[in-house]
Amino acid sequence: AQSVTQPDIHITVSEGASLELRCNYSYGATPYLFWYVQSPGQGLQLLLKYFSGDTLVQGIKGFEAEFKRSQSSFNLRKPSVHWSDAAEYFCAVGESNYQLIWGAGTKLIIKP
Amino acid sequence: DAGITQSPRYKITETGRQVTLMCHQTWSHSYMFWYRQDLGHGLRLIYYSAAADITDKGEVSDGYVVSRSKTENFPLTLESATRSQTSVYFCASTLEVGAYEQYFGPGTRLTVT
Repeated sequence: AQSVTQPDIHITVSEGASLELRCNYSYGATPYLFWYVQSPGQGLQLLLKYFSGDTLVQGIKGFEAEFKRSQSSFNLRKPSVHWSDAAEYFCAVGESNYQLIWGAGTKLIIKP
Repeated sequence: DAGITQSPRYKITETGRQVTLMCHQTWSHSYMFWYRQDLGHGLRLIYYSAAADITDKGEVSDGYVVSRSKTENFPLTLESATRSQTSVYFCASTLEVGAYEQYFGPGTRLTVT
């Protein structure tokens, strides 16, 4: 069965430092991959998506993610985080019936 | 551009009562979804719908009922609320062909006492 693993429940990063959030998936075919962000008390917002083509995808708010088929990974990165990036981040993979399989989420904490 | 709206945003109800959570989208998206979000469980799919009058169960559908008589509305009903159904409920939608990205409503925080 398809699955998505986000190994880090919490990550703490200093403001201005770089960020990498990990996501590993299990899926037989070429996956459709997504990163979403959820600010406290809010719904989920799409940050970026990978369907095909260039394995480095750019998203909103200065985020990017790289699809690595050999590692079954789709890690999210940002070169310099801002306090407003504090939120929970979810990785997801698309199934054939338009459902998404979700990771458990990584909570990002920003140190001033 | 209203997108997806959910109502109510907050609801407190008693055990055993029936409660309906509303979801409305203005995009005419074919697919709609209901999730619940609980600490330690992430997002879990309750029900989804591919079109009006077509619905199917997700992984945690027990105790919930949905209907979709119109494309834009997808209400979720808790037939007899239990404390274990205290959660935050999110509605989402997506286009039909070639698009998997889901667009989410703001959520309904439901407390069952």
